[in-house]
Formats: sequence, C-alpha cells, structure tokens
Amino acid sequence: EAGVAQSPRYKIIEKRQSVAFWCNPISGHATLYWYQQILGQGPKLLIQFQNNGVVDDSQLPKDRFSAERLKGVDSTLKIQPAKLEDSAVYLCASSLGGRSQETQYFGPGTRLLVL
Amino acid sequence: AQKITQTQPGMFVQEKEAVTLDCTYDTSDPSYGLFWYKQPSSGEMIFLIYQGSYDQQNATEGRYSLNFQKARKSANLVISASQLGDSAMYFCAMRGNNAGNMLTFGGGTRLMVKP
Repeated sequence: EAGVAQSPRYKIIEKRQSVAFWCNPISGHATLYWYQQILGQGPKLLIQFQNNGVVDDSQLPKDRFSAERLKGVDSTLKIQPAKLEDSAVYLCASSLGGRSQETQYFGPGTRLLVL
Repeated sequence: AQKITQTQPGMFVQEKEAVTLDCTYDTSDPSYGLFWYKQPSSGEMIFLIYQGSYDQQNATEGRYSLNFQKARKSANLVISASQLGDSAMYFCAMRGNNAGNMLTFGGGTRLMVKP
C-alpha cells in the first residue's frame, strides 16, 4: 500500500514570494492533516480536512496561509506572501475517518527555507 | 486544553540495552489516545505504538512497549535491545475526543544509540 506522498521535498524561496505544497493521502483515507514543524519542535496542526470539508483550521494563519482539498482526495497548502518565520518542515498526514483512536500516517514532508 | 511534556531533550543508550523515554500529559478529556512516533533524519514521522485511555493493558509492539500510568498521567516509551537504527527523534502525542480530535505533540527526545 502506497504511503502519503508529498511534493516538493525541498523548497527555497525569498521572503514575500509565494509557495505551494501538494499532498496525496493514503487511498481511502477520508481525513487529511497539514502540520508545521519548526526546527527543534514537535509538529503543530495547521488544518484538518474531513473529505473536502474543513474540520479544524484554528491554528492556520489565515492572512497568509490557505489550503484546499477540492475533490476530497489530494490537497494543496499555499503560503502567500512567505515570511522568514515560515521556514519549517510541512508535514501532511492522513487517517481513515478522523476518530481519536485512529493512527495518523505521515508523508516525508516538505522542507521550506525562506531567505 | 491538551499538553504533552517530554523532559529529556537528548538521551544516550548503549547498543543492545533498553531505554525509557519519558512523556507526561495533561487533558480534561475523559477519553483520549496516546501515540509515539519516531522521526529519523529523513524527516518522516513513523508511527510506533498507540495506547487508549481505557485500555487495561499496556501496549506492546515488537521491541516497543508503552508504560502507561493513568493516575500519574504518564506514557513512557520503552525500547528494548536498542539498535543503531533506533537513533532518531521520538515524539509523544495525544488526541482527545473533546479537543476536536487534534493531535498534540510534545517537544521530542533525541535518542542516540552508541555502538
């Protein structure tokens, strides 16, 4: 079974530029998550989708971050414009249905460096 | 609010010995799940083990076991017979039914296995 796919793996941009990340979850997983992991810290949830609807985006900086999952499968996360403090690893994860006891499976992440 | 605390920023262990990684948590949810993930230098978060708050027995998965002490709100990970490949960051995380099913991570512990 294929795991969670993410692209690109690495991205370097200058501040105030825009960037987009893509994620394809495990087949059949209804719930998709985007996390931000700053160096030396644990991941922090940015947004959670159930199919194509948003369940939780309370920690998403909506003035510059946006995410969509239009067809309920793959998802994109966009940052516009980027700031230096956005340098981090962006992890995508998926789970079957989003219940508390379900395991979330993570992709390899996208390492973003903002100069 | 949920909180996970990992008090050991770094740990050394001799190859083939056992090691315990500490995790304490705080939550007001009566039902919750506790997870441990391994993050090697490649960046991917690898699921290791899960413990439900109502599970009567401590979880075990191969060389991994979870020492769950509910009254003390601790969920320590025990790795037996350490291998060089166990060198990585280890994150404890929890997810509660009443917290929007959000997965909250601790700050992580870096484990280094010495040959």
